[in-house]
Amino acid sequence: EPEVTQTPSHQVTQMGQEVILRCVPISNHLYFYWYRQILGQKVEFLVSFYNNEISEKSEIFDDQFSVERPDGSNFTLKIRSTKLEDSAMYFCASSEEGGSVTEAFFGQGTRLTVV
Amino acid sequence: DAKTTQPTSMDCAEGRAANLPCNHSTISGNEYVYWYRQIHSQGPQYIIHGLKNNETNEMASLIITEDRKSSTLILPHATLRDTAVYYCIVRYRDSGYALNFGKGTSLLVTP
Repeated sequence: EPEVTQTPSHQVTQMGQEVILRCVPISNHLYFYWYRQILGQKVEFLVSFYNNEISEKSEIFDDQFSVERPDGSNFTLKIRSTKLEDSAMYFCASSEEGGSVTEAFFGQGTRLTVV
Repeated sequence: DAKTTQPTSMDCAEGRAANLPCNHSTISGNEYVYWYRQIHSQGPQYIIHGLKNNETNEMASLIITEDRKSSTLILPHATLRDTAVYYCIVRYRDSGYALNFGKGTSLLVTP
């Protein structure tokens, strides 16, 4: 069964460093998403991406964040200068279509720890 | 703001049906109801979704009221592995159809 894969599963970084979280969406999917979940809190939407452009983003997704689809298979989230409060699980998701009609499938997440 | 209301927690005996309710009184038009679950800190797992008709798949059934203001997710024979947080989500047009997760219902399946 196709699945969304994320690497690494756990990343530890020092405050102020840049991190790149990687995702391989399901191959025929066209819409891609990043979510995060701070420990003990709810899953929060960060950004959606389609046709090489951001289609929606939340207030959390500020100038420190960027997304990219560098090739035909990867989808990345970059945090330019990490802060302690960026420590969280980051989930990538993908869906075949946008809108409300089709489901999104999530990866198992990358646990980011900023020290 | 998730705009859905779910009980904070529920218990269910193993082998029995688990019925998880959700209120979404502000739903309108072509906005679908989705159910996901999250086991520990794993990625959210898609369960089922529907618009106005009842839906069934290998995991669960979704019953949507005629006025679409509420729905119930049914796990017909709950197992211990169904212990998880269950999220009822409406993909609202005014939020770009994003999956906005609320606090969900923590379902505990007991032996």
